Amino acid sequence: AQSVSQHNHHVILSEAASLELGCNYSYGGTVNLFWYVQYPGQHLQLLLKYFSGDPLVKGIKGFEAEFIKSKFSFNLRKPSVQWSDTAEYFCAVTHNTNAGKSTFGDGTTLTVKP
Amino acid sequence: DTGVSQDPRHKITKRGQNVTFRCDPISEHNRLYWYRQTLGQGPEFLTYFQNEAQLEKSRLLSDRFSAERPKGSFSTLEIQRTEQGDSAMYLCASSTRQVLSGNTIYFGEGSWLTVV
Repeated sequence: AQSVSQHNHHVILSEAASLELGCNYSYGGTVNLFWYVQYPGQHLQLLLKYFSGDPLVKGIKGFEAEFIKSKFSFNLRKPSVQWSDTAEYFCAVTHNTNAGKSTFGDGTTLTVKP
Repeated sequence: DTGVSQDPRHKITKRGQNVTFRCDPISEHNRLYWYRQTLGQGPEFLTYFQNEAQLEKSRLLSDRFSAERPKGSFSTLEIQRTEQGDSAMYLCASSTRQVLSGNTIYFGEGSWLTVV
């Protein structure tokens, strides 16, 4: 069964610090990868996704992620965080043999101090 | 608001009672998904529909759970004989085609269930 691991449960940063959130998945076949964000009191929203092509994908609000197939990783990055980035971040995987199902990690709570 | 809507947003029920949640997807979306999320965990897949056909059910979906999408539009998720372990957020999501085609899944705000 596929699984997704997010290594950091809670990250606390000051504004303007750089961010990297780890995501590793376990599945040997072709995968599609996603990062979602959930701001306090709001629903899950897609930040970015990788399907094919350039392994460095750019999303909304200055976020990017790099797919490294050899490491089964899809880490999320942002060079300079803002207080408004305080939220919970979820990595998710969908694979070709089960196109209707996404497997999510347990999330990382990011707190940005002003 | 033309997003995914869920009703009710919060439900408190006594153990053993039945509850039903409704989801209205974005109107042109033919795929509809149900997930469950508990505190400190990510969403867990329960089931999904393409139009009115239920194409997959997770093993998490015990026989006390049933989901329907009778006309390929809105969906209901019913939990019979609720147990305290059913307390969770039930998330609905929809998309135009399968995720592998590059389409985005849009999530609703969820329905919180507390079983006392």
